[in-house]
Amino acid sequence: AQTVTQSQPEMSVQEAETVTLSCTYDTSESNYYLFWYKQPPSRQMILVIRQEAYKQQNATENRFSVNFQKAAKSFSLKISDSQLGDTAMYFCAFMKQGSGGGADGLTFGKGTHLIIQP
Amino acid sequence: DAGVTQSPTHLIKTRGQQVTLRCSPISGHKSVSWYQQVLGQGPQFIFQYYEKEERGRGNFPDRFSARQFPNYSSELNVNALLLGDSALYLCASSFPSSRASDTQYFGPGTRLTVL
Repeated sequence: AQTVTQSQPEMSVQEAETVTLSCTYDTSESNYYLFWYKQPPSRQMILVIRQEAYKQQNATENRFSVNFQKAAKSFSLKISDSQLGDTAMYFCAFMKQGSGGGADGLTFGKGTHLIIQP
Repeated sequence: DAGVTQSPTHLIKTRGQQVTLRCSPISGHKSVSWYQQVLGQGPQFIFQYYEKEERGRGNFPDRFSARQFPNYSSELNVNALLLGDSALYLCASSFPSSRASDTQYFGPGTRLTVL
């Protein structure tokens, strides 16, 4: 079984600052995906960024980038030039790579509540 | 294109009752997964269906069941409701025909309250 740990229950930064959210995971699998999802107060879970474990290059999506350290089983999310709309719960998630899109589903951490202050 | 849709948005039931939640995936997606999110926690995997067959099941009791229809929409049924079933139920769809398609896209959820 996989576990995902997010050690920061809440973080608060000023608008335009850079913030890094931490995530560690434990698995015996070699092939897997890692994700960051954002859940604003509206509750809709929104995909932020995805990383395939076989890729050494860190994924980036505009202001969002990850630091993927496979040996250390670490997957942190960096948000640059933070905006008020980034305020949300952020969940780190793991999925085994397999047929059918991962029959074990996503394994989520408990989340980090990120608050962007004006 | 429309995203994942779920109905109803909110639902209030009493203990012992049965409930059915509905989900329509993104057009072209053939896989639907269900998750339970208790307040203050990350979502927990309940089921995954692909091409109308159950492909995966999380650690939930037999009171939870689901099915997928020929149009790939899905229903989640929960029998004999308990207070602890109160949660946000999330549906996610994916098109798992290639590596790049394993990403799951979520609907807005159904908030179930059991009194």
